[in-house]
Amino acid sequence: DTAVSQTPKYLVTQMGNDKSIKCEQNLGHDTMYWYKQDSKKFLKIMFSYNNKELIINETVPNRFSPKSPDKAHLNLHINSLELGDSAVYFCASSPRAGGYYGYTFGSGTRLTVV
Amino acid sequence: DQQVKQNSPSLSVQEGRISILNCDYTNSMFDYFLWYKKYPAEGPTFLISISSIKDKNEDGRFTVFLNKSAKHLSLHIVPSQPGDSAVYFCAAKRRLNTGTASKLTFGTGTRLQVTL
Repeated sequence: DTAVSQTPKYLVTQMGNDKSIKCEQNLGHDTMYWYKQDSKKFLKIMFSYNNKELIINETVPNRFSPKSPDKAHLNLHINSLELGDSAVYFCASSPRAGGYYGYTFGSGTRLTVV
Repeated sequence: DQQVKQNSPSLSVQEGRISILNCDYTNSMFDYFLWYKKYPAEGPTFLISISSIKDKNEDGRFTVFLNKSAKHLSLHIVPSQPGDSAVYFCAAKRRLNTGTASKLTFGTGTRLQVTL
């Protein structure tokens, strides 16, 4: 039973399309995150939600819109996809925001924009 | 501005020997440090952590050392095994109060290959 699951695992799409990535955690955690791993393998935070409330919003183009319908789900919608959006996107969760907690990561969604 | 740095992109070690992975950070406000291990096509998995009040934490074959004055931490794996071959990420955060936004900042990773 996967703790943090993301769908789809692979996504190939054309420039200009709109796509969504879904994430669900069954750990009972309060806080969820989206990270982007670019071509240089740099893992960088994009967003964080705590109990459905947005608490971290890094400098991300507003074509990216996260949505958290409940604390177990955090989806990422991307409008007007660009070539530079190609990356691996990781969802993660932690018991609380702040504190001495690490994150549990999903297996990633490899997005390729052609 | 990369606040967590892993200057060695790769490391090759013979099975049974010690692997030492290094990490430097620049933000003196970081007070909690973690190591994650990542296999291809999988997400990072938590390995070991250390808070700034300690200088060493050990878990089986894995030991993390923290040198706050040098803003440096290292992960020692003894003895190294072929299954340890993976990318290792160093990460750091400020503890803050629970409920307060606090993000994990990652280094760029070191690829460890343990050879037979």
